Amino acid sequence: DGGITQSPKYLFRKEGQNVTLSCEQNLNHDAMYWYRQDPGQGLRLIYYSQIVNDFQKGDIAEGYSVSREKKESFPLTVTSAQKNPTAFYLCASSPGLAGNTIYFGEGSWLTVV
Amino acid sequence: DQQVKQNSPSLSVQEGRISILNCDYTNSMFDYFLWYKKYPAEGPTFLISISSIKDKNEDGRFTVFLNKSAKHLSLHIVPSQPGDSAVYFCAAVARFPGQGAQKLVFGQGTRLTINP
Repeated sequence: DGGITQSPKYLFRKEGQNVTLSCEQNLNHDAMYWYRQDPGQGLRLIYYSQIVNDFQKGDIAEGYSVSREKKESFPLTVTSAQKNPTAFYLCASSPGLAGNTIYFGEGSWLTVV
Repeated sequence: DQQVKQNSPSLSVQEGRISILNCDYTNSMFDYFLWYKKYPAEGPTFLISISSIKDKNEDGRFTVFLNKSAKHLSLHIVPSQPGDSAVYFCAAVARFPGQGAQKLVFGQGTRLTINP
C-alpha cells in the first residue's frame, strides 16, 4: 500500500541526546514536510523539502536538522539544542509544493525524560 | 473510510463577499477541530481552531462554527480578500487523556478563489 511511514511511533529521549525520526514515503512525491504539534495548538512547520538534496527552514527550525538524500526519505533529527522537544511530530508529503493533496504520516510521539 | 470530508473541491467568491467552507465528520470521538490554509509552493499553516465545548470561535475575519449534532463545521471568511485565495483543509483530532492531541485527521481540502 502507498503511504507515509513514520517511525518510531513512540520515543523517549534523555535530555542532551540527539534523536532521529524516520519518515519514508512510497508515493513518489517530490515535496516532504515535518510538522510539530503541541497540545492545544495547530501544526507548526519545522522543515520542508521540495526536491532531493534541497530543504528549507519552516517557522520553528531552531534545534532541528534534516536531510533529503533520497526522494522517499526525509529524516528529522531533534538535537539537544531544541529547548522543548516533547511533542507530536508529523511528516507529510505532496506531489509538489503547488499541489493541494497533502498526505500525512501517523505521527511520532517524542518525550524527553 | 473518510472520517473528515470536505465535499466541495473548489469554491469561487467575489471579493468583499462572505466565503463559507464546509466540513463534515463521522467520528463522534473527535473533540477538537482545526482549519489549515495552504498557498502554492508553501506548506499548510494553521488558521483557526475550535474545541467541541464551543459552537463558535472568531478571529478577525475568520469564524468557525461547530454543529456537533450534525457533525458539521464551517469556516466563514468575511469580507473575502484576494489574499485568501488558497486551499483550506479541515482537520479533526480525537484526544486521549494524558497525551494531548492525538492524530490529526484531515479533509481533502477546498480550493478557494477570490475574484476581484
